[in-house]
Amino acid sequence: DIQMTQSPSSLSASVGDRVTITCRASQAITNYLAWYQQKPGKPPNLLIYGASTLQSGVPSRFSGSGSGTDFTLTISSLQPEDVATYYCQKYNSVPWTFGQGTKVEIK
Amino acid sequence: EVQLVQSGAEVKKPGESLKISCKGSGYNFSSYWIGWVRQTPGKGLEWMGIVYPGDSDTRYSPSFQGQVTISADKSISTAYLQWNSLKASDTAMYYCARGKWFDPWGQGTLVTVSS
Repeated sequence: DIQMTQSPSSLSASVGDRVTITCRASQAITNYLAWYQQKPGKPPNLLIYGASTLQSGVPSRFSGSGSGTDFTLTISSLQPEDVATYYCQKYNSVPWTFGQGTKVEIK
Repeated sequence: EVQLVQSGAEVKKPGESLKISCKGSGYNFSSYWIGWVRQTPGKGLEWMGIVYPGDSDTRYSPSFQGQVTISADKSISTAYLQWNSLKASDTAMYYCARGKWFDPWGQGTLVTVSS
């Protein structure tokens, strides 16, 4: 099975900082990648699908890029409400594995 | 509004059986995959499997194959996750979600297995 590895596992940044999270697939998955945001006590929320398509209603400070094996989620200007754990997920073939998550905190 | 509503929290003993549900509304339930995801306390998301309600095609993660049963009844727009014999290690929050890129998600069903 294809493994999904996120880095870093956690990060702390200041309000207004640019934040980048990386997701690497152990084999190529073209652009079949989604990103989710999960706040404590809530279900995950879709941010991006198709590696770079922003889900309707998601703030434009979020963006995704990459294809093949290497992907990134970028928050252009970190806001206090962005404190959450972020997960990538592949969906090219089953199992649709998640990355282990990246916890984002405010410094 | 597209919505998935899950059944309520459950407290069970080891060895008992359980079936939890996920009811879809606001869209053609038959035409989208429904997936199940496990989240243990303080841990990440684990993809368990999916069902296509239109033809009941079901796929499982190797980690959950044989441990749970996923099904759907398109006549009542409801998907299910079932255990025949629960273990303490099945204690977790379980989410259902629609589609290949999961959106929306249900609110979650907390399953607690304790003697």
